[in-house]
Amino acid sequence: DAKTTQPNSMESNEEEPVHLPCNHSTISGTDYIHWYRQLPSQGPEYVIHGLTSNVNNRMASLAIAEDRKSSTLILHRATLRDAAVYYCILRETGNQFYFGTGTSLTVIP
Amino acid sequence: EAGVTQFPSHSVIEKGQTVTLRCDPISGHDNLYWYRRVMGKEIKFLLHFVKESKQDESGMPNNRFLAERTGGTYSTLKVQPAELEDSGVYFCASSPVGVGANVLTFGAGSRLTVL
Repeated sequence: DAKTTQPNSMESNEEEPVHLPCNHSTISGTDYIHWYRQLPSQGPEYVIHGLTSNVNNRMASLAIAEDRKSSTLILHRATLRDAAVYYCILRETGNQFYFGTGTSLTVIP
Repeated sequence: EAGVTQFPSHSVIEKGQTVTLRCDPISGHDNLYWYRRVMGKEIKFLLHFVKESKQDESGMPNNRFLAERTGGTYSTLKVQPAELEDSGVYFCASSPVGVGANVLTFGAGSRLTVL
């Protein structure tokens, strides 16, 4: 299985930026880095993904280290609705997604 | 656009009984995936359909689990006979083939409780 390592939990104050780290030292050259989040009682929700270059979308930014062994999901202004478990996932060829334990983000009002 | 719909949202059955979970993917999405999270563990891949064909079923735990996708539209996942360790949340996800294939849309999940 493609492995990722994330902190179990993080806290952020509302309206402040949040940097969620992920280590993936065994990443292969063709693995994409995906981030999904899961709100309570819902299925995982796509956030962002990338291969080598940093990526931005309306939800977040993804910063990928030059050696690709780590990445950081950046929420620019955390809101209460961003409280969720965030999963950093490597996608190997064959379309399988390997979820890790994720980071539980708490947003403090 | 309607999302991925799963039914039932929660099922409680006795050990040894049969349960069938259904997933309606987003219309036009040929990729369909089943994942599950059993108690205290990570979300794990079960299998992947492309249209009606099983592309990868390497995650299916044993032969008590049977997944079908007749006609390449909705999919069912049958557990027969159910065991206690099958309790968990079963997620279905879909994506198009080609552009957008990397982005999976998940359903809310079907919670299975085996007593």
